[in-house]
Amino acid sequence: KAGVTQTPRYLIKTRGQQVTLSCSPISGHRSVSWYQQTPGQGLQFLFEYFSETQRNKGNFPGRFSGRQFSNSRSEMNVSTLELGDSALYLCASSLGGKTDTQYFGPGTRLTVL
Amino acid sequence: GQNIDQPTEMTATEGAIVQINCTYQTSGFNGLFWYQQHAGEAPTFLSYNVLDGLEEKGRFSSFLSRSKGYSYLLLKELQMKDSASYLCAVRDSYGGATNKLIFGTGTLLAVQP
Repeated sequence: KAGVTQTPRYLIKTRGQQVTLSCSPISGHRSVSWYQQTPGQGLQFLFEYFSETQRNKGNFPGRFSGRQFSNSRSEMNVSTLELGDSALYLCASSLGGKTDTQYFGPGTRLTVL
Repeated sequence: GQNIDQPTEMTATEGAIVQINCTYQTSGFNGLFWYQQHAGEAPTFLSYNVLDGLEEKGRFSSFLSRSKGYSYLLLKELQMKDSASYLCAVRDSYGGATNKLIFGTGTLLAVQP
């Protein structure tokens, strides 16, 4: 079974621009969660989507948004990029239940100049 | 508040045993995960504890005490390839959250010959 895939793997943007990241979950998984990883803060939860609905949300500004499609693929959008948005963005997929394990994709490395 | 503590760095010798501790204080609790992350790679799942006690999986074991807010990951017969960051994460259940993981900042383990 193929793992979680994320595209693109690397991205360079400038301040003020917007960016869209994509995540394809493991086949059969209906939940996709997004995390931001930085050296100072570690992994921080952004949001979770399940069956095309946002189920949970972390403490990030409204510039960070996401959506999920009927095939469970998910996209994350960051508008008006700031230097501090430079990070590794990871998505994780699971079946969606309360005891299911999350499996991570390789991440998208975003650099904001 | 939400707080997960782990040592920042540890060093151990090839062939030895190492224990990585994790203490947590979270609003809700629905299980604790350990992930391994090599530099530049995605976190990979190691173990999941939801009930008190020890879970053993090959060279890796994980222990949980919910009353003490404490877990540890035990790595036996250390190999050079075990050099990585080890992430402790609590699945938050506050407000019905299902797949929100709260991560510690990770423990960087260096295995020396």
